Amino acid sequence: DAGITQSPRHKVTETGTPVTLRCHQTENHRYMYWYRQDPGHGLRLIHYSYGVKDTDKGEVSDGYSVSRSKTEDFLLTLESATSSQTSVYFCAISESRGGGRDEQFFGPGTRLTVL
Amino acid sequence: GDSVTQMEGPVTLSEEAFLTINCTYTATGYPSLFWYVQYPGEGLQLLLKATKADDKGSNKGFEATYRKETTSFHLEKGSVQVSDSAVYFCALTSSGNTPLVFGKGTRLSVIA
Repeated sequence: DAGITQSPRHKVTETGTPVTLRCHQTENHRYMYWYRQDPGHGLRLIHYSYGVKDTDKGEVSDGYSVSRSKTEDFLLTLESATSSQTSVYFCAISESRGGGRDEQFFGPGTRLTVL
Repeated sequence: GDSVTQMEGPVTLSEEAFLTINCTYTATGYPSLFWYVQYPGEGLQLLLKATKADDKGSNKGFEATYRKETTSFHLEKGSVQVSDSAVYFCALTSSGNTPLVFGKGTRLSVIA
Protein backbone atom coordinates (compact mmCIF):
# COMPACT_ATOMS: atom_id res chain seq x y z
CA ASP A 1 0.00 0.00 0.00
CA ALA A 2 1.13 3.53 -0.83
CA GLY A 3 2.16 5.44 2.28
CA ILE A 4 -0.56 8.07 2.49
CA THR A 5 -2.15 9.19 5.72
CA GLN A 6 -4.82 11.78 6.33
CA SER A 7 -5.59 13.56 9.56
CA PRO A 8 -7.95 13.89 11.18
CA ARG A 9 -10.02 10.97 9.94
CA HIS A 10 -13.22 12.45 11.32
CA LYS A 11 -14.08 16.00 12.30
CA VAL A 12 -17.20 17.83 13.35
CA THR A 13 -17.05 21.61 13.35
CA GLU A 14 -19.33 24.60 13.34
CA THR A 15 -20.15 27.00 10.54
CA GLY A 16 -17.66 29.85 10.30
CA THR A 17 -14.73 28.11 11.94
CA PRO A 18 -11.45 27.46 10.12
CA VAL A 19 -10.51 23.87 9.43
CA THR A 20 -7.26 22.36 8.18
CA LEU A 21 -6.93 18.85 6.84
CA ARG A 22 -3.54 17.26 6.43
CA CYS A 23 -2.27 14.77 3.90
CA HIS A 24 1.09 13.14 4.50
CA GLN A 25 2.95 10.84 2.09
CA THR A 26 6.09 8.76 2.46
CA GLU A 27 6.45 7.96 -1.26
CA ASN A 28 8.25 11.15 -2.32
CA HIS A 29 5.75 11.55 -5.18
CA ARG A 30 5.74 14.89 -6.89
CA TYR A 31 2.01 15.37 -7.39
CA MET A 32 -0.63 15.60 -4.69
CA TYR A 33 -4.37 16.17 -5.00
CA TRP A 34 -7.36 16.99 -2.86
CA TYR A 35 -10.79 15.69 -3.87
CA ARG A 36 -14.17 15.80 -2.25
CA GLN A 37 -16.68 12.99 -2.59
CA ASP A 38 -20.40 13.66 -2.43
CA PRO A 39 -23.38 11.48 -3.31
CA GLY A 40 -24.41 12.00 -6.92
CA HIS A 41 -21.21 13.84 -7.79
CA GLY A 42 -18.48 11.24 -7.60
CA LEU A 43 -15.06 12.73 -6.89
CA ARG A 44 -14.35 16.33 -7.73
CA LEU A 45 -10.92 17.93 -7.74
CA ILE A 46 -10.45 20.83 -5.31
CA HIS A 47 -6.77 21.72 -5.69
CA TYR A 48 -3.63 19.96 -6.68
CA SER A 49 0.10 20.46 -6.33
CA TYR A 50 2.86 19.69 -8.80
CA GLY A 51 5.71 20.47 -6.46
CA VAL A 52 6.68 22.32 -3.31
CA LYS A 53 4.93 25.70 -3.31
CA ASP A 54 3.38 24.94 -6.73
CA THR A 55 -0.39 24.53 -6.66
CA ASP A 56 -3.33 24.98 -8.97
CA LYS A 57 -7.10 25.11 -8.70
CA GLY A 58 -9.45 22.32 -9.57
CA GLU A 59 -13.11 22.16 -10.43
CA VAL A 60 -14.48 23.15 -7.00
CA SER A 61 -11.82 25.36 -5.42
CA ASP A 62 -14.02 28.18 -4.07
CA GLY A 63 -13.82 28.36 -0.27
CA TYR A 64 -10.67 26.26 -0.09
CA SER A 65 -6.96 27.04 0.01
CA VAL A 66 -3.94 24.76 0.02
CA SER A 67 -0.31 24.86 0.94
CA ARG A 68 2.64 22.64 0.30
CA SER A 69 5.82 23.64 2.06
CA LYS A 70 7.35 20.15 1.99
CA THR A 71 7.18 17.34 -0.54
CA GLU A 72 5.47 15.04 1.94
CA ASP A 73 2.72 17.32 3.23
CA PHE A 74 -0.26 18.89 1.47
CA LEU A 75 -2.66 20.92 3.60
CA LEU A 76 -6.25 21.80 2.73
CA THR A 77 -7.78 24.74 4.59
CA LEU A 78 -11.38 25.80 4.81
CA GLU A 79 -11.02 29.42 5.89
CA SER A 80 -14.60 29.67 7.15
CA ALA A 81 -16.41 26.35 6.98
CA THR A 82 -19.95 26.19 5.59
CA SER A 83 -22.51 23.39 5.67
CA SER A 84 -22.03 22.87 1.92
CA GLN A 85 -18.48 21.74 2.70
CA THR A 86 -19.73 18.75 4.63
CA SER A 87 -18.17 15.92 2.65
CA VAL A 88 -15.59 13.17 2.58
CA TYR A 89 -12.20 14.51 1.54
CA PHE A 90 -9.62 12.35 -0.17
CA CYS A 91 -5.99 13.05 -0.77
CA ALA A 92 -4.19 11.35 -3.64
CA ILE A 93 -0.64 11.23 -4.94
CA SER A 94 1.01 10.35 -8.21
CA GLU A 95 4.44 10.34 -9.66
CA SER A 96 3.30 12.21 -12.74
CA ARG A 97 0.34 14.45 -13.31
CA GLY A 98 -1.88 11.45 -13.99
CA GLY A 99 -0.41 11.43 -17.44
CA GLY A 100 -1.68 8.09 -18.52
CA ARG A 101 1.27 6.12 -17.24
CA ASP A 102 1.04 6.54 -13.50
CA GLU A 103 -1.93 5.82 -11.34
CA GLN A 104 -3.08 7.93 -8.46
CA PHE A 105 -2.91 6.43 -4.99
CA PHE A 106 -5.57 7.49 -2.53
CA GLY A 107 -5.55 8.06 1.19
CA PRO A 108 -8.24 6.68 3.52
CA GLY A 109 -10.29 9.88 3.57
CA THR A 110 -11.45 12.45 6.11
CA ARG A 111 -15.13 12.73 6.95
CA LEU A 112 -15.93 16.37 7.72
CA THR A 113 -19.25 17.51 9.11
CA VAL A 114 -20.02 21.22 9.34
CA LEU A 115 -22.97 22.00 11.60
CA GLY B 1 -14.06 19.80 -21.32
CA ASP B 2 -13.35 16.19 -20.56
CA SER B 3 -16.11 14.16 -18.99
CA VAL B 4 -17.04 10.61 -18.01
CA THR B 5 -20.53 9.16 -17.93
CA GLN B 6 -21.19 5.85 -16.24
CA MET B 7 -24.36 3.96 -15.60
CA GLU B 8 -26.22 4.91 -12.49
CA GLY B 9 -26.69 2.41 -9.76
CA PRO B 10 -27.24 0.82 -7.55
CA VAL B 11 -26.71 -2.47 -9.29
CA THR B 12 -27.75 -5.58 -7.37
CA LEU B 13 -26.67 -9.01 -8.59
CA SER B 14 -26.72 -12.53 -7.29
CA GLU B 15 -23.42 -14.27 -6.69
CA GLU B 16 -21.91 -15.77 -9.89
CA ALA B 17 -23.90 -13.44 -12.14
CA PHE B 18 -22.31 -11.58 -15.06
CA LEU B 19 -21.48 -7.93 -14.47
CA THR B 20 -21.35 -5.04 -16.90
CA ILE B 21 -20.95 -1.42 -15.84
CA ASN B 22 -21.09 0.96 -18.76
CA CYS B 23 -18.71 3.90 -19.11
CA THR B 24 -18.46 6.38 -21.96
CA TYR B 25 -16.23 9.40 -22.20
CA THR B 26 -15.64 12.70 -23.94
CA ALA B 27 -12.07 13.87 -24.20
CA THR B 28 -9.62 15.76 -26.34
CA GLY B 29 -6.63 13.95 -27.68
CA TYR B 30 -5.96 10.37 -26.65
CA PRO B 31 -6.93 9.83 -23.02
CA SER B 32 -5.88 7.06 -20.72
CA LEU B 33 -8.78 5.27 -19.04
CA PHE B 34 -9.10 3.80 -15.58
CA TRP B 35 -11.45 1.89 -13.34
CA TYR B 36 -11.14 2.52 -9.62
CA VAL B 37 -12.90 0.60 -6.86
CA GLN B 38 -13.90 1.85 -3.42
CA TYR B 39 -14.72 -0.71 -0.75
CA PRO B 40 -16.86 0.42 2.19
CA GLY B 41 -15.05 2.85 4.47
CA GLU B 42 -11.91 2.95 2.33
CA GLY B 43 -10.24 5.16 -0.24
CA LEU B 44 -10.14 4.43 -3.93
CA GLN B 45 -7.77 1.91 -5.40
CA LEU B 46 -6.90 1.28 -9.01
CA LEU B 47 -8.64 -1.77 -10.45
CA LEU B 48 -7.38 -1.62 -14.03
CA LYS B 49 -6.30 0.76 -16.75
CA ALA B 50 -5.76 1.09 -20.50
CA THR B 51 -3.61 3.68 -22.16
CA LYS B 52 -4.40 3.33 -25.86
CA ALA B 53 -7.16 2.21 -28.19
CA ASP B 54 -7.97 -1.53 -28.21
CA ASP B 55 -5.95 -2.12 -25.04
CA LYS B 56 -7.62 -4.43 -22.56
CA GLY B 57 -7.06 -3.85 -18.88
CA SER B 58 -7.65 -6.75 -16.52
CA ASN B 59 -7.34 -7.50 -12.82
CA LYS B 60 -9.05 -9.79 -10.28
CA GLY B 61 -11.31 -11.22 -13.00
CA PHE B 62 -12.46 -7.78 -14.15
CA GLU B 63 -11.83 -6.62 -17.70
CA ALA B 64 -12.38 -3.47 -19.74
CA THR B 65 -11.46 -2.71 -23.34
CA TYR B 66 -10.61 0.77 -24.61
CA ARG B 67 -12.97 1.34 -27.56
CA LYS B 68 -12.08 4.55 -29.35
CA GLU B 69 -14.76 4.16 -32.02
CA THR B 70 -17.52 4.10 -29.40
CA THR B 71 -15.62 6.18 -26.77
CA SER B 72 -16.35 3.49 -24.21
CA PHE B 73 -14.57 1.55 -21.48
CA HIS B 74 -17.16 -0.84 -20.07
CA LEU B 75 -16.25 -2.89 -17.01
CA GLU B 76 -17.10 -6.62 -17.08
CA LYS B 77 -16.73 -9.64 -14.85
CA GLY B 78 -17.94 -13.09 -15.68
CA SER B 79 -18.89 -14.23 -12.18
CA VAL B 80 -19.22 -11.78 -9.33
CA GLN B 81 -18.68 -12.57 -5.67
CA VAL B 82 -20.07 -11.01 -2.52
CA SER B 83 -16.62 -9.53 -1.92
CA ASP B 84 -16.98 -7.48 -5.13
CA SER B 85 -19.62 -5.31 -3.48
CA ALA B 86 -18.21 -1.80 -3.73
CA VAL B 87 -18.49 1.47 -5.63
CA TYR B 88 -16.80 1.50 -9.04
CA PHE B 89 -15.53 4.68 -10.69
CA CYS B 90 -14.56 5.17 -14.30
CA ALA B 91 -11.97 7.90 -14.86
CA LEU B 92 -9.78 9.40 -17.54
CA THR B 93 -6.84 11.65 -18.02
CA SER B 94 -6.11 13.36 -21.31
CA SER B 95 -2.80 13.18 -23.06
CA GLY B 96 -1.96 16.67 -21.87
CA ASN B 97 -1.20 15.38 -18.39
CA THR B 98 -4.31 16.70 -16.74
CA PRO B 99 -5.59 15.41 -13.40
CA LEU B 100 -8.11 12.58 -13.38
CA VAL B 101 -11.73 13.22 -14.29
CA PHE B 102 -14.11 10.81 -12.58
CA GLY B 103 -17.57 9.51 -13.34
CA LYS B 104 -20.13 9.66 -10.55
CA GLY B 105 -19.62 6.06 -9.50
CA THR B 106 -21.76 2.93 -9.62
CA ARG B 107 -22.59 1.06 -6.44
CA LEU B 108 -22.60 -2.72 -6.83
CA SER B 109 -24.19 -5.02 -4.31
CA VAL B 110 -23.74 -8.77 -4.69
CA ILE B 111 -26.02 -11.01 -2.67
CA ALA B 112 -25.36 -14.63 -1.81
